[in-house]
Amino acid sequence: GAVVSQHPSWVICKSGTSVKIECRSLDFQATTMFWYRQFPKQSLMLMATSNEGSKATYEQGVEKDKFLINHASLTLSTLTVTSAHPEDSSFYICSARDPQVGRYNEQFFGPGTRLTVL
Amino acid sequence: GDSVTQMEGPVTLSEEAFLTINCTYTATGYPSLFWYVQYPGEGLQLLLKATKADDKGSNKGFEATYRKETTSFHLEKGSVQVSDSAVYFCALSSYYGQNFVFGPGTRLSVLP
Repeated sequence: GAVVSQHPSWVICKSGTSVKIECRSLDFQATTMFWYRQFPKQSLMLMATSNEGSKATYEQGVEKDKFLINHASLTLSTLTVTSAHPEDSSFYICSARDPQVGRYNEQFFGPGTRLTVL
Repeated sequence: GDSVTQMEGPVTLSEEAFLTINCTYTATGYPSLFWYVQYPGEGLQLLLKATKADDKGSNKGFEATYRKETTSFHLEKGSVQVSDSAVYFCALSSYYGQNFVFGPGTRLSVLP
């Protein structure tokens, strides 16, 4: 149990276009989802925390107008990279928290989405 | 704030060698501790976890013990395989689990 999927797994786009990445919890309801960014050979950097039905909380230094996060249902969160530029190329990973007792302090990770902006 | 420190990599071992990757943490309260593995081009997979002091997490021959007195959660494996080549991340989650804190990752290469 506790499977998280991401779509697409990879995407290539032209500079200036917008890209949407979906994160789904497949077998549980996730009240909270997280978005991370990972640069090559580096650790994960938390970008934002999204709670279902409310605005996302962004980490310091992350542009909320550039990285739009929507958590419209208990099983889906989306990250939209608006007007993407080559410096936005990265590996984006989402995770979800299962609110069930005993799993509350654990996060379940998606497989990641590799974004390349030309 | 909370933090996780891991030994610097890369670590290169021969097949069947003994592996230790050190991890120490700083946290308030009683965090849960995790080891994740990331294979090239893939996302993170949970390798093992421990939720309280003296707990031992184990999976696929890997082990780590939650040592509160030394604030450590070192990863060990008695005999590594080429297929264990990956990046290993130590992480902690606060009691209320709002977010994770990851270590920088340790790249392991196992040579045949």
